[in-house]
Amino acid sequence: EVQLVESGGGSVQPGGSLRLSCAASGFTFRSYAMSWVRQAPGKGLEWVSAISGSGGYTYYGDSVKGRFTVSRDNSKNTLYLQINSLRAEDTAVYYCAKDRVPVPATAFGSWGQGTLVTISS
Amino acid sequence: SYVLTQPPSVSVAPGQTARITCGGNNIGSKSVHWYQQKPGQAPVLVVYDDIDRPSGIPERFSGSNSGKMATLTISRVEAGDEADYYCQVWDSSSALFGGGTKLTVL
Repeated sequence: EVQLVESGGGSVQPGGSLRLSCAASGFTFRSYAMSWVRQAPGKGLEWVSAISGSGGYTYYGDSVKGRFTVSRDNSKNTLYLQINSLRAEDTAVYYCAKDRVPVPATAFGSWGQGTLVTISS
Repeated sequence: SYVLTQPPSVSVAPGQTARITCGGNNIGSKSVHWYQQKPGQAPVLVVYDDIDRPSGIPERFSGSNSGKMATLTISRVEAGDEADYYCQVWDSSSALFGGGTKLTVL
């Protein structure tokens, strides 16, 4: 059974940083692209970033480009999101999601339960 | 940039058919995926690649995609289908979601 467990969320001041993690199990982690998707309170889903199975290719949404960095450690079956220069509008639940192929191109077949990031002074 | 347009809300009586649309420029040339999200829960994939269902998703859920519109159809709607539904595509190496549609079961 595929399991994705996010951690690392919390309350941070504007301009601060956090590193989110997503521990994966139940599948061959290195064979699948992974994404981060966020959802602000009461709002819809917003794709944030993706990374290929090998980790060699990364992709970002315009709203986070230059501030967020996605990475993965295939030896630890873990996905990361380093988020810097946090703004109030970054407040959201952050989900990790598993693609169905090695490159970011298809549906997100599995999701974690999410981790809440709150930006507040 | 590419935009996906969904109606904010759809209402249907139990046992009837709900149709949730997702509009986009030439969306028929893209693969469309649909997610169901209930309050306080993570999204769940219900239809992928326009028409396919993941294992465990009832046959009542089906999809279509042509021209400028993709549609998620839920037949014989049940109270448990009440949720937010999102369409999603990939465009220029970015994933895009529609704004979401709240399905209300009357």
